This record gives sequence, C-alpha cells and structure tokens, in this order.
Amino acid sequence: GAVVSQHPSWVICKSGTSVKIECRSLDFQATTMFWYRQFPKQSLMLMATSNEGSKATYEQGVEKDKFLINHASLTLSTLTVTSAHPEDSSFYICSVFTGAGTEAFFGQGTRLTVV
Amino acid sequence: SQQGEEDPQALSIQEGENATMNCSYKTSINNLQWYRQNSGRGLVHLILIRSNEREKHSGRLRVTLDTSKKSSSLLITASRAADTASYFCATAPIAQGAQKLVFGQGTRLTINP
Repeated sequence: GAVVSQHPSWVICKSGTSVKIECRSLDFQATTMFWYRQFPKQSLMLMATSNEGSKATYEQGVEKDKFLINHASLTLSTLTVTSAHPEDSSFYICSVFTGAGTEAFFGQGTRLTVV
Repeated sequence: SQQGEEDPQALSIQEGENATMNCSYKTSINNLQWYRQNSGRGLVHLILIRSNEREKHSGRLRVTLDTSKKSSSLLITASRAADTASYFCATAPIAQGAQKLVFGQGTRLTINP
C-alpha cells in the first residue's frame, strides 16, 4: 500500500487570497497523483491528474488557472486555489495509485472554507 | 464524468442487521471498488473486485459484480455502530487506463445501537 498525507487538514481563508494544499506520498514514489473535490453530502469529483515533471491534466470544467497543480517530485504534489471565493469552499482530497488496476490510497483531505 | 449511481442514498438500520448497498455504472471497467468515508475524513479502501470476478468476501463484507447488468452490491453483515459512514463505489474505466476512479453518489449508512 501507500501512505498519503495531506496538509493542512483544514484552512480558513479570506476571499481573494490563495491557499496551497500539499499531498505527500510517504512511502511510495508516485509519478501520478489525483485531486478530487467533494461538496457536502456529495460524491468525489475528479479535478485533475497531477503528473510528476509535467503539466497536470484537468477534467472538463475545471479551471487550470484557478487550481494550480505542481508535482515537482515523486512524493509531493501541491494544489493551489488562487483568488479563492466562497464557492470554492469544499473538501479537497488527493489520492495515489500504486499500479494500474489496483486500489487508490487517499489522503485525509483538506477542508477549505473561504470567508 | 460521474458515472456511478448508488442506492439507497441513505440507509438506517439497527445494529446486528445486514446492510445492502447497490451501485450501477455505465461503461466497461477493469475493476470496481468500494470505499468507506467517515464524516469529514478521507476514504478508506474496503474491497476491489475485478471485471472477471463475480463475488468477493472480506470479513463481514460481501461484494458482487454483474458486468452484464453493470451493477454491483455491497453487503455488510452483522452491522455495528462503527460501520456508520458513507460508502462509495468507484469504477476504473478501461477507457481511462484503469487508474482514474469514477465515484458513485454514495450511500449514507447509519447503524442505530
């Protein structure tokens, strides 16, 4: 398996500011990480695929200039929510696969509240 | 795109009873997985069933997969209060390299003591 750690667990920020969320794969070198967003009482929606050393791949409808993803090493991917607005308030979760066709390992999630 | 549908959306049962959740999907898959999420937490993997498997067991969990109907079910036997959580099915579509997961809407399970 893989141990995935997210930081911070929760963050409150003011409208217009930017927030960075880190996702670390502690015991597995992940060339690919996935970022999801989950609104209250809803399912997880894939936002983007983070690729180590190259550009992230964004799902349809996700603004790449608003949700900046950097995957600079095999153990760290970051998601920066730029110019955050209250509608960006959500639960953001990252995940890692250890191989195609296997289970995913998730971070504990980050609760973002924009006020 | 969201492709999984789950029912029921919410289920409340007494401790000791069995809980059954169903999941349907739309495209060809490599595997189907079930996850549990406690409130405000990350997801925990429960069980993975491959497209060539029909049934799988893990402890008190039993999962079935019917690829002809594109559906799966998760049975939790002898439920406990600690089983209270949201349960999601997730499919790994073949067309997306079996690495991207597409999640169902989830079932919120409440076990009453």
